Amino acid sequence: ETGVTQTPRHLVMGMTNKKSLKCEQHLGHNAMYWYKQSAKKPLELMFVYSLEERVENNSVPSRFSPECPNSSHLFLHLHTLQPEDSALYLCASSHLRTSGYTDTQYFGPGTRLTVL
Amino acid sequence: AQKITQTQPGMFVQEKEAVTLDCTYDTSDPSYGLFWYKQPSSGEMIFLIYQGSYDQQNATEGRYSLNFQKARKSANLVISASQLGDSAMYFCAMREGGNQGGKLIFGQGTELSVKP
Repeated sequence: ETGVTQTPRHLVMGMTNKKSLKCEQHLGHNAMYWYKQSAKKPLELMFVYSLEERVENNSVPSRFSPECPNSSHLFLHLHTLQPEDSALYLCASSHLRTSGYTDTQYFGPGTRLTVL
Repeated sequence: AQKITQTQPGMFVQEKEAVTLDCTYDTSDPSYGLFWYKQPSSGEMIFLIYQGSYDQQNATEGRYSLNFQKARKSANLVISASQLGDSAMYFCAMREGGNQGGKLIFGQGTELSVKP
């Protein structure tokens, strides 16, 4: 069983569409993350959820809307995106300690998003 | 200022030889962790190895070892006996102290090509 899964693996959408990315972790972790990886740039942390509560939002535009209904599932709702939002979106999970330290983050395979 | 620096955009190595991928970091936090991830063309980020700032010995995991030089703030990845399947992007990442919401800071990455 794969630790972290993401669907869909590829997504092409127009700027007026609404779509959602899904992430599921089977590792018993208590924290989940969304990262954006654009070409030629380092991974950028978008959101962090710990025990279903958002603990970090890195100045991400409101056209990206995360949702964490439970500790195993994480969604990223997309609406009215721009072409520059085309990127690889990676989900990760980890055990986040009460001290704020995170153990190793394990990643899913990512969703390659193209915005036309 | 960049917190994680990988100065080698691309590296070539002959199959069965060893290769060192460079990573330097910048932090004033005495407690931190350093990670290396491998990203094949499929996109998934695969965890390779971890080094804690207080660890006395360099981390090793199979063919991967981490050359940790704390005074120089470097954490180079050494891959021994390179295989064709090692061709991929490699990212160095740092986790700083607590209360950071599990944040990982990634470098720009090094693209490794293994030649037969």
